[in-house]
Amino acid sequence: SAVISQKPSRDICQRGTSLTIQCQVDSQVTMMFWYRQQPGQSLTLIATANQGSEATYESGFVIDKFPISRPNLTFSTLTVSNMSPEDSSIYLCSVDTVPFGSGTRLTVV
Amino acid sequence: GIQVEQSPPDLILQEGANSTLRCNFSDSVNNLQWFHQNPWGQLINLFYIPSGTKQNGRLSATTVATERYSLLYISSSQTTDSGVYFCAVTSLGSGYALNFGKGTSLLVTP
Repeated sequence: SAVISQKPSRDICQRGTSLTIQCQVDSQVTMMFWYRQQPGQSLTLIATANQGSEATYESGFVIDKFPISRPNLTFSTLTVSNMSPEDSSIYLCSVDTVPFGSGTRLTVV
Repeated sequence: GIQVEQSPPDLILQEGANSTLRCNFSDSVNNLQWFHQNPWGQLINLFYIPSGTKQNGRLSATTVATERYSLLYISSSQTTDSGVYFCAVTSLGSGYALNFGKGTSLLVTP
């Protein structure tokens, strides 16, 4: 199965700033997914990223807050914009089937 | 969308005990996975099991798709089994995007 590398693994950010999270896959995949896990909660899908088209966002998530890029079949980025403490979460990317990246643990202060 | 319910929400076991975790889902699925998230946040896939039974060491899982439930069995539990166990499914309309249950938080004490 594919191997996913996610960067950064963790970060502490000031409110009002933005953070871009990178997800690199070692093989070409059609779909990449971005999830959020708030403290003590389950995982929630943010959006699906297909190469060559705009990402599809789930209810409650908007492009202005979570812009996503998918420039090729092995790479995607998720930006968390204008951060507030409520954005403190683990952000994970995944691909077509099984694997998840190791996640990005974000703390906003 | 499809609903995924897990039970129990919390479980405390003494080392060596056995346990059964349950996952109910509200519609037909084409994929069901069990994950373990350890106390450091790492999410590990345990089973891909849309139907049938699989075993891996002390862990086994059974999915009865026609009755819309899956069970995860943990035998001879160890402290390293502690963490949160998630069930996640994909339905025909969701492609490969996973819908997660709220998880079962397991603590195994020495």
